[in-house]
Amino acid sequence: QQQVKQSPQSLIVQKGGISIINCAYENTAFDYFPWYQQFPGKGPALLIAIRPDVSEKKEGRFTISFNKSAKQFSLHIMDSQPGDSATYFCAASYYNQGGKLIFGQGTELSVKP
Amino acid sequence: DVKVTQSSRYLVKRTGEKVFLECVQDMDHENMFWYRQDPGLGLRLIYFSYDVKMKEKGDIPEGYSVSREKKERFSLILESASTNQTSMYLCASSRPGSLAGPQHFGDGTRLSIL
Repeated sequence: QQQVKQSPQSLIVQKGGISIINCAYENTAFDYFPWYQQFPGKGPALLIAIRPDVSEKKEGRFTISFNKSAKQFSLHIMDSQPGDSATYFCAASYYNQGGKLIFGQGTELSVKP
Repeated sequence: DVKVTQSSRYLVKRTGEKVFLECVQDMDHENMFWYRQDPGLGLRLIYFSYDVKMKEKGDIPEGYSVSREKKERFSLILESASTNQTSMYLCASSRPGSLAGPQHFGDGTRLSIL
């Protein structure tokens, strides 16, 4: 019940295309869903996050879509660029965990020129 | 900007050695975390700490221990290193509380146990 399942494991997209990464969770107590971006040789960094009271959050080319009833959330990268090539992790946490995050398995995104 | 510094980028040790991985953060964060990152498994939490001298087990604590004597420093200890502990280790810190906001990560230590 604590797991967050992420797919696909790897993704290749052409420049200008849309990248979509999906995550699913079981624990309905989760109330914070961040996405982290990790470049080679670097630690993950927060990209965008959403709380379950909204169904969508957009920041520039990055959008989180959240489906509370299906217990799923996804990251959409519009107009994907080679500079977006990185590993992406979804995560979840809830009130009593005091900031502890449960991460998905990661998606390695490659955007081809 | 928050800075989380891990003492070594690469480390090679032998089976059975006691290994120390050090992490320092400069933002006065109460929360600190140690993860290991393996391909296809994501980030798995080893230990975390909410305050000085406090520690709690994460999902995979076996074979590891931690020390937090000062607020800014969180050490991960491999008591007797084994080859299955070869991995990338990531340290993170965050503000306290349930709405703690982002975790800030160091750049990792790639540890090889021979």
